[in-house]
Amino acid sequence: QKEVEQNSGPLSVPEGAIASLNCTYSDRGSQSFFWYRQYSGKSPELIMFIYSNGDKEDGRFTAQLNKASQYVSLLIRDSQPSDSATYLCAVNGGDMRFGAGTRLTVKP
Amino acid sequence: GAVVSQHPSWVICKSGTSVKIECRSLDFQATTMFWYRQFPKQSLMLMATSNEGSKATYEQGVEKDKFLINHASLTLSTLTVTSAHPEDSSFYICSATTSNGRAGGNEQFFGPGTRLTVL
Repeated sequence: QKEVEQNSGPLSVPEGAIASLNCTYSDRGSQSFFWYRQYSGKSPELIMFIYSNGDKEDGRFTAQLNKASQYVSLLIRDSQPSDSATYLCAVNGGDMRFGAGTRLTVKP
Repeated sequence: GAVVSQHPSWVICKSGTSVKIECRSLDFQATTMFWYRQFPKQSLMLMATSNEGSKATYEQGVEKDKFLINHASLTLSTLTVTSAHPEDSSFYICSATTSNGRAGGNEQFFGPGTRLTVL
């Protein structure tokens, strides 16, 4: 069974802080990794994807991948209240598997 | 680009009736479409994967005779919940993949979802 694990949270950070979201996966053959954001009552939207080990930055978001440790993370710099949502980690190793999501709350 | 629509956005029906949900890729041809179900405060649960012109592949525990999937074209997939019951009430979301996406065909673009309430 291919597993994608996330801390369900909730994770609470003050406005302006860095939010760190973590995800581990079990399938070593996984090749592509995604972070989706899902607001309450809405469908997921893609934020970042990463294929290679290391960091990938896009605006306030940085995805970090460590295939040896089977670990992928998402950092959100200068967190804003509008970042409050559930963040889903998804791993593709032939088929896409989603984690349960981490609920993030950014407090003003 | 890569917009996916769903219709209807919400539906309320009586127990025992069937409900059809449409998923359309508006500006691209979707190689594969997926159907998910999400109960309140729970994660996405993949129900089935469908490719145009072939039978859908259902996840373990999903009744294929109850959740009928038709993928008639590269831009349209439908999910029919047959003889719906209150326990089928959920948020149904479709997604699609395209080789034209930013991630070279691996990411899924989600529709806005359909909220089904069965009375």
